[in-house]
Amino acid sequence: AQSVSQHNHHVILSEAASLELGCNYSYGGTVNLFWYVQYPGQHLQLLLKYFSGDPLVKGIKGFEAEFIKSKFSFNLRKPSVQWSDTAEYFCAVNPYSGAGSYQLTFGKGTKLSVIP
Amino acid sequence: GAGVSQTPSNKVTEKGKYVELRCDPISGHTALYWYRQSLGQGPEFLIYFQGTGAADDSGLPNDRFFAVRPEGSVSTLKIQRTERGDSAVYLCASSLLSGGTQYFGPGTRLLVL
Repeated sequence: AQSVSQHNHHVILSEAASLELGCNYSYGGTVNLFWYVQYPGQHLQLLLKYFSGDPLVKGIKGFEAEFIKSKFSFNLRKPSVQWSDTAEYFCAVNPYSGAGSYQLTFGKGTKLSVIP
Repeated sequence: GAGVSQTPSNKVTEKGKYVELRCDPISGHTALYWYRQSLGQGPEFLIYFQGTGAADDSGLPNDRFFAVRPEGSVSTLKIQRTERGDSAVYLCASSLLSGGTQYFGPGTRLLVL
């Protein structure tokens, strides 16, 4: 079964610092990749997704992620974080299958705290 | 438009009782998913519906868990003989088509005493 690893449990940054959250997955075939964000008191929201094409994906609020197939990675980045980015971030993977399920496998999440 | 809604938002029950959790997907979405999120973990897949049928129920932990979607819209997750280990947030998501982006609801927080 596939698994998703998020390397950092809790990241603390000052405003304007750069962010990179790691995500690695274990699945040898074609995958669809997602980053979801959960702001305090809110539900999971899609930040960005990769299905195919350009491996550098841009999402909402200035976030981007790069799919590196050889490293089985899909790291999330933002050049300058804001206090409002304080949230929990989840990486998720869906193995592409023409006739299979579309379940998402999630990592354990990374809590980001941004200090004003 | 309206997002995915789930009721109740919180449910407290006693060990051994039966509970039902409801999910209203985004209108027109054909695929519906249930996940369970325990404290400190990411969501874990339970079951996926395409239309009225369960296309993949491989994530249901045991036969105490069952879900239905009789008219291809609203879904109900049913848990029999609840155990303390069932305490978690139960999340529902829907997508326009199978394989499309999944949009999540706010979840139902279940506490089994």
